[in-house]
Amino acid sequence: DAKTTQPPSMDCAEGRAANLPCNHSTISGNEYVYWYRQIHSQGPQYIIHGLKNNETNEMASLIITEDRKSSTLILPHATLRDTAVYYCIVRVAWDFGNEKLTFGTGTRLTIIP
Amino acid sequence: NAGVTQTPKFRVLKTGQSMTLLCAQDMNHEYMYWYRQDPGMGLRLIHYSVGEGTTAKGEVPDGYNVSRLKKQNFLLGLESAAPSQTSVYFCASSYQRGGEADTQYFGPGTRLTVL
Repeated sequence: DAKTTQPPSMDCAEGRAANLPCNHSTISGNEYVYWYRQIHSQGPQYIIHGLKNNETNEMASLIITEDRKSSTLILPHATLRDTAVYYCIVRVAWDFGNEKLTFGTGTRLTIIP
Repeated sequence: NAGVTQTPKFRVLKTGQSMTLLCAQDMNHEYMYWYRQDPGMGLRLIHYSVGEGTTAKGEVPDGYNVSRLKKQNFLLGLESAAPSQTSVYFCASSYQRGGEADTQYFGPGTRLTVL
């Protein structure tokens, strides 16, 4: 799995858009970008994933640069419940023999009232 | 649609006791996983299953056994609990879809303390 780099922490005002960056300069052509988050003491929660194109779902948007070396997760209207550790993971789909998800240190996002 | 559920939520064991953690999913997922998470550390894969009746070892399988008798259930057993197995255990599942990304969906976790 390609290595990812994320800032250790970020703050965002409630109601504003939270933009979480991730660098993955060694990403391969068949590797997806996944975002998960873990709210304190809870199980990791899948947010979104993408390969090349920008993606949007009911939770967030994922912007992937054209060279795919970095991406940004956007939470459009952050709420206090979005306070969590956010993980950017890069891996191939169905990497048989390497099924585990490798969570790095992530970004601790704090939403400020 | 409850997603992935785990029972129990909390448990305290004495060294040497045995127990079974139950994971259930109602999403018709083929793959299921057991992870453990220790304080300040990432998740480590214990065992996983690629379908009913199959199991495979992850990166930290020692001291644990698993069974997948039904597609929707994945059991994690501790035959003789040790203090080193004090951790939070998470179950996850994913749906095999050929070339599509393998998103994993996690349960709420089981907090296990071994005294």
